[in-house]
Amino acid sequence: QITLKESGPTLVKPTQTLTLTCTFSGFSLSATGVGVGWIRQPPGKALEWLALIFWDDDKRYSPSLKNRLTITKDTSENQVVLTMTNLDPVDTATYYCAHRPSISASGKAGFDYWGQGTLVTVSS
Amino acid sequence: DIQMTQSPSTLSASVGDRVAITCRASQSIGSWVAWYQQKPGKAPKLLIYMASSLEDGIPSRFSGSGSGTEFTLTISSLQPDDFATYHCQQWHSWTFGQGTKVEIK
Repeated sequence: QITLKESGPTLVKPTQTLTLTCTFSGFSLSATGVGVGWIRQPPGKALEWLALIFWDDDKRYSPSLKNRLTITKDTSENQVVLTMTNLDPVDTATYYCAHRPSISASGKAGFDYWGQGTLVTVSS
Repeated sequence: DIQMTQSPSTLSASVGDRVAITCRASQSIGSWVAWYQQKPGKAPKLLIYMASSLEDGIPSRFSGSGSGTEFTLTISSLQPDDFATYHCQQWHSWTFGQGTKVEIK
């Protein structure tokens, strides 16, 4: 059974750096085609895709946030870390990580398992 | 960057109604679209992938169609558990639509 869980600070001050960790189980991020993504959702607003890391360490970022984001993986620890710099109150949101299956193996292009999300508030 | 324009933003309907939600992509993306259902305080749930493939465990009243730039999620007979917000996502560069809230009429 695949599970994911986000962890990190709940309150961050403006201009600070946010580090979020996604700890997962039930799959390996070294398996061909597999990826883990980060998505956020400000209160009452739409989902926004942030970043995606693949089994081969290929990394993709939202063009609008690319300069502020870094995504890394620790395959042995089953973790993916997202770092976002220069936080602003508009970055207040629930942050989710999600599993991206191998499309060639499953035919599935979608995030099929999600963490519960973690609310991050940016405020002084 | 590919944009997804989702409509309507809110949809009022009754149990038993047939409802349709549309997403339009800013450029052709083949069948690379997923649809999700989200309830308040919960993570999104994958319903449809590759525009028309039903995720395991999802009731058959949900269906997806379309290709290129126009995509539709249809619920054939709305059930009480279906009142939620629905999101489309394109899988060329992973952007989401703005969401559609399906509420009780």
